[in-house]
Amino acid sequence: QKEVEQNSGPLSVPEGAIASLNCTYSDRGSQSFFWYRQYSGKSPELIMSIYSNGDKEDGRFTAQLNKASQYVSLLIRDSQPSDSATYLCAVFTKEKLTFGTGTRLTIIP
Amino acid sequence: GAGVSQTPSNKVTEKGKYVELRCDPISGHTALYWYRQSLGQGPEFLIYFQGTGAADDSGLPNDRFFAVRPEGSVSTLKIQRTERGDSAVYLCASGNDRGRGYTFGSGTRLTVV
Repeated sequence: QKEVEQNSGPLSVPEGAIASLNCTYSDRGSQSFFWYRQYSGKSPELIMSIYSNGDKEDGRFTAQLNKASQYVSLLIRDSQPSDSATYLCAVFTKEKLTFGTGTRLTIIP
Repeated sequence: GAGVSQTPSNKVTEKGKYVELRCDPISGHTALYWYRQSLGQGPEFLIYFQGTGAADDSGLPNDRFFAVRPEGSVSTLKIQRTERGDSAVYLCASGNDRGRGYTFGSGTRLTVV
């Protein structure tokens, strides 16, 4: 079982709709959870962090964490073409960030 | 500096050669990570420094890979006897609070021909 799993996509969402990205992790001792956005040919950019169960909202982005289910998600409301990118889920465990393979998101105008 | 700086941005080398990749973290950041990213994959952990010491080098694929951070700031990733399979983007990230997310540099794209 991979430490961090994501659906690789591609995920296509119409402009203005909600994009939902999901991630599961294997280590119950994981402490912190992050979503990075990566545009093609660029390096990952931190967009959300979450540390406790529940929802955390920042602008159009909402991160959700359920430690019992070992599940993290990212919702993007009012999706824009500029949101088209690969979204990487990262989990902080044993002093390092472990990444999933990323979900490629395309917003269709 | 304002961000994490990595040099060179691109490196093409012949199989068997030695390469050095440099990372200059955000000033004052104590934690520094090296990752490697292949096409279509997420970043893969290589090594983690806290200060000058390598706190975890479990991700280094073999003994051809080595990294240093002698003064607790700039780090160099060294690859001996490069192989075509070493071709990837090498990413450096730094931060101050373990578990609070890290800032990545723009990466070095290494191509071994």
